[in-house]
Amino acid sequence: QPVLTQSSSASASLGSSVKLTCTLSSGHSTYIIAWHQQQPGKAPRYLMKLEGSGSYNKGSGVPDRFSGSSSGADRYLTISNLQSEDEADYYCETWDSNTRVFGGGTRLTVL
Amino acid sequence: EVQLVESGGGLVQPGGSLKLSCAASGFTFSGSAMHWVRQASGKGLEWVGRIRTKANNYATAYAASVKGRFTISRDDSKNTAYLQMNSLKTGDTAVYYCTSSIAYWGQGNLVTVSS
Repeated sequence: QPVLTQSSSASASLGSSVKLTCTLSSGHSTYIIAWHQQQPGKAPRYLMKLEGSGSYNKGSGVPDRFSGSSSGADRYLTISNLQSEDEADYYCETWDSNTRVFGGGTRLTVL
Repeated sequence: EVQLVESGGGLVQPGGSLKLSCAASGFTFSGSAMHWVRQASGKGLEWVGRIRTKANNYATAYAASVKGRFTISRDDSKNTAYLQMNSLKTGDTAVYYCTSSIAYWGQGNLVTVSS
């Protein structure tokens, strides 16, 4: 089954942009992934589904500041014009016919 | 609006049992696979298992960590999914979320396994 690798932490300044990375394991570079945001003390929130082509579909109410892109086995989440409420854990996820797999999550700190 | 509301969590002793419920609304429950995902305090998300639809014979699949101890079921007439947890271990302590797909999450329900 696929494995997803994420950096454990990232930080960026208020109003700037940040690009988070999720890397698919060897042999799984074409997989579609999803990005989720989890603010402190809350349930995860679906942000978008992202294909290997770079095409993405965002969930309802997700701000335009959030976008996705892809390169090979890497899937990216870019957040522009960072706001204080963007400080959260970000998880990527993929799936096959029998299981769902989550990355370890990236904790984003907004400075 | 899609809503998933979990209930049934609480404190249970090691070796005990607990059954979680997930009441769904706002979408065609009978046509959707249902999944359970858990999160231990300060840790990441871990997929627990899923149940498919009647058209797919209510097929279930489980993570290796819970296989043989946990059972997922559903009642389409009540728009509710269940997670029966037996032989609970302290390592099962977590917030348990039900999800109807990648896009919808419940609010979570805390299960604490402790003596």
